Amino acid sequence: QKEVEQNSGPLSVPEGAIASLNCTYSDRGSQSFFWYRQYSGKSPELIMSIYSNGDKEDGRFTAQLNKASQYVSLLIRDSQPSDSATYLCAVATINYGQNFVFGPGTRLSVLP
Amino acid sequence: SAVISQKPSRDICQRGTSLTIQCQVDSQVTMMFWYRQQPGQSLTLIATANQGSEATYESGFVIDKFPISRPNLTFSTLTVSNMSPEDSSIYLCSVEGASGARRYVSYEQFFGPGTRLTVL
Repeated sequence: QKEVEQNSGPLSVPEGAIASLNCTYSDRGSQSFFWYRQYSGKSPELIMSIYSNGDKEDGRFTAQLNKASQYVSLLIRDSQPSDSATYLCAVATINYGQNFVFGPGTRLSVLP
Repeated sequence: SAVISQKPSRDICQRGTSLTIQCQVDSQVTMMFWYRQQPGQSLTLIATANQGSEATYESGFVIDKFPISRPNLTFSTLTVSNMSPEDSSIYLCSVEGASGARRYVSYEQFFGPGTRLTVL
């Protein structure tokens, strides 16, 4: 059974701080890792994907992957109230018709 | 990324009836998926909609309850049959996009807006 774990939160950070979201996964064959943001009542929106060990930066977002530790994280710098949402970690194995396994999500609240 | 639409956006249905949800994409895609998101929960994959063949269902989901059609590369339907209140959920379709000329092709998934179903 492939599992993806996240702290459910809520994680509260003050505006301007760094928010750190963590995700662990059980399947060592996983090769693709994604972070989605989901606002209440909306569908998930892809914000980051990462495939290789190390850091990947996109604007205020940095994804970090450590395959040896089976760990992927998302850092949000200069957090804004508009970043308040649930963040879903998804993990997949690259093959034909790969299926994603989603974590339970972490609810982030950025306080003004 | 592809533009994905779903119809209906929401519906309230009676127990024992069926509802068909449509998913339309503005470009041809190979892989389409159907997910369920129950209140306060994460996403659970129901099935992969294959063009020209039967859908591939995940454990716990069966064709009689969730028949799926995929007549072409831009359209799919999911039917929720013989509904009960436990089927109240958001149903989401997603498509897989391959992008980039990099070492691997990234199989990112993009979601439609979802269908909020309430069963009384």
